[in-house]
Amino acid sequence: QQQVKQSPQSLIVQKGGIPIINCAYENTAFDYFPWYQQFPGKGPALLIAIRPDVSEKKEGRFTISFNKSAKQFSLHIMDSQPGDSATYFCAASKDPSGKFYFGSGTKLNVKP
Amino acid sequence: GAGVSQSPSNKVTEKGKDVELRCDPISGHTALYWYRQSLGQGLEFLIYFQGNSAPDKSGLPSDRFSAERTGGSVSTLTIQRTQQEDSAVYLCASSLARNTIYFGEGSWLTVV
Repeated sequence: QQQVKQSPQSLIVQKGGIPIINCAYENTAFDYFPWYQQFPGKGPALLIAIRPDVSEKKEGRFTISFNKSAKQFSLHIMDSQPGDSATYFCAASKDPSGKFYFGSGTKLNVKP
Repeated sequence: GAGVSQSPSNKVTEKGKDVELRCDPISGHTALYWYRQSLGQGLEFLIYFQGNSAPDKSGLPSDRFSAERTGGSVSTLTIQRTQQEDSAVYLCASSLARNTIYFGEGSWLTVV
């Protein structure tokens, strides 16, 4: 059973658009929710993360929205640029295992 | 080193041969993770080390897969009698604090 479900699988937006990627989870013991960005041929890199005691977190053009009651969280990319074209993974983990459960990934293409 | 280092970066092996993949985590990081990523797919958890012990090895696909970590540092993932379905990118990650894991660039394994 997939612990974290991610959608959409792929996304195409025009430059300046606001792509939104959604994730849902079942296990209420999860207490840390990071997003990773992966470029072709590279390992995933941490982009931004949130804990369930806040509903929103912004870092530059990237925003996480978190809905604890719905067990959902999403990534918004403001003023998207072609350089944001990558695969994005959401993840969740719970103390103290340290094990991260990843979503299936969203391939984003930002057209110039 | 400055980041997680993995070797080899690319490996082509014949079906039935054994392979060893090495991970050198960021200095001082106590936790180490192995994930597998098949072409265009998400991240599949394999095993997690805290120090030299592996509290969670639930993701190892079969008894052909094993991993060890020595000195709380370098880890080796061994795949015995490789099969074509083992072809994937094997990603290693490490962390000091649970809430941030850093990935290497992966070892690309092709079984022919």
